[in-house]
Amino acid sequence: GQSLEQPSEVTAVEGAIVQINCTYQTSGFYGLSWYQQHDGGAPTFLSYNGLDGLEETGRFSSFLSRSDSYGYLLLQELQMKDSASYFCAARDNQGGKLIFGQGTELSVKP
Amino acid sequence: DADVTQTPRNRITKTGKRIMLECSQTKGHDRMYWYRQDPGLGLRLIYYSFDVKDINKGEISDGYSVSRQAQAKFSLSLESAIPNQTALYFCATSDSRAGRGANVLTFGAGSRLTVL
Repeated sequence: GQSLEQPSEVTAVEGAIVQINCTYQTSGFYGLSWYQQHDGGAPTFLSYNGLDGLEETGRFSSFLSRSDSYGYLLLQELQMKDSASYFCAARDNQGGKLIFGQGTELSVKP
Repeated sequence: DADVTQTPRNRITKTGKRIMLECSQTKGHDRMYWYRQDPGLGLRLIYYSFDVKDINKGEISDGYSVSRQAQAKFSLSLESAIPNQTALYFCATSDSRAGRGANVLTFGAGSRLTVL
């Protein structure tokens, strides 16, 4: 089976940097993805790490360490519009289905 | 028009009624998924389909059934709805031929179901 753990809530101020961690336990592993969901909206894809290391996309970066079964999403220069829920997701290499963590609600304060 | 369209967007029904949520996509993706979202529980996989002839149970399939009528259409049915099936339901698609794109899900706008 698979499980992903991430903090339920994170609060930060505008302009700051925040890191959202995700640890996973899977029977197989084929990469870690990150999704953003604004209240009531559809989740949207942010980033994917198939290999160890850092992936950067603008203000957002994602990191993966397979040996530690750990990854994180780093958000820089926080803006009010970054207030949302962030989900990590892992795909097993058996069924190929994507399983999500419970989500981290990020609140950005002025 | 949206790439992934879900209907209805909102539905209120009574216990014991049969409900169908429909999903259609114009992305040409081969894989389709149904997820359920409850507050604090994230997105839980109900069923998924990798092609028209392939249907698989997810984490929480009890009480649900699905039909993949065509590559572009994937419907979710609740044969006899119960109140604890009140939730926000999302359909999603992905493309297995896209390399890392297989990890990129495109979600519909969601169907909010309330069972009284």
